[in-house]
Amino acid sequence: AQSVTQPDIHITVSEGASLELRCNYSYGATPYLFWYVQSPGQGLQLLLKYFSGDTLVQGIKGFEAEFKRSQSSFNLRKPSVHWSDAAEYFCAVGGTGRRALTFGSGTRLQVQP
Amino acid sequence: GAGVSQSPSNKVTEKGKDVELRCDPISGHTALYWYRQSLGQGLEFLIYFQGNSAPDKSGLPSDRFSAERTGGSVSTLTIQRTQQEDSAVYLCASSYTTTNEKLFFGSGTQLSVL
Repeated sequence: AQSVTQPDIHITVSEGASLELRCNYSYGATPYLFWYVQSPGQGLQLLLKYFSGDTLVQGIKGFEAEFKRSQSSFNLRKPSVHWSDAAEYFCAVGGTGRRALTFGSGTRLQVQP
Repeated sequence: GAGVSQSPSNKVTEKGKDVELRCDPISGHTALYWYRQSLGQGLEFLIYFQGNSAPDKSGLPSDRFSAERTGGSVSTLTIQRTQQEDSAVYLCASSYTTTNEKLFFGSGTQLSVL
C-alpha cells in the first residue's frame, strides 16, 4: 500500500526566512512524487513533481524538492519565504500502476511579517 | 471549459437525504478523480475513472457512496442517506491520461449535513 506522512501539521516562519516542509512516503516501487499547494479560497495547484533522473527538482514560485530514496523522503524547500506563500501544502505519491495519487494530511504554513 | 468545474459550490442538506455532486472535467482529459477533504484532514481518495476501464472504487467509504461518469466526461458523485460525518469538501480533479500527469483540481463542493 502507498502512503504519505507529513509530520508537521502547522509551521510558522518569518518572511524572508528559509523553509523546509517534510514528507515521507511508503511505496513498493519507484515512486512518482508531487507537491501541491492550496491557497486560501483557491484550488490545489501543482508546485513540482519527481518522476526520475535528477533528485533535486525545481518547481514554480521558487520552490524545490529533493528525493532521497534512502530516507523515503521528498522534502520541499524555499530559500526565502514570501507572505504570499502562506497556504496549505500537500505531498503526494503515485506510480506506474492504476492507482490514484495518495496525499498526505497537509502542512499549513503561516508567514509572519 | 477552461478548468475543472464543480457544482454546486455549497450544499446544505438534512441527515438522511440523498445528494448529488457534479464534476465537469477539462475537455480531453481521460482521467477523473474524486477526493474528500475533511476539516483538518488531508485529501482522502474516493474513486478514480480512467477512460473506458472499470473505475477504482477502493476509496469509497461505504455503500452509500457511488459515482458514475457518463460518456467519458461529466461525473456525478452520489451520497445516499447522508450522515453528519459526510460533511466535507468534495474535490474533483482530472488529468490528461494517468495519475502520473498533473492533476487539475476543481474548487470543490462544500457539503454540510445538518
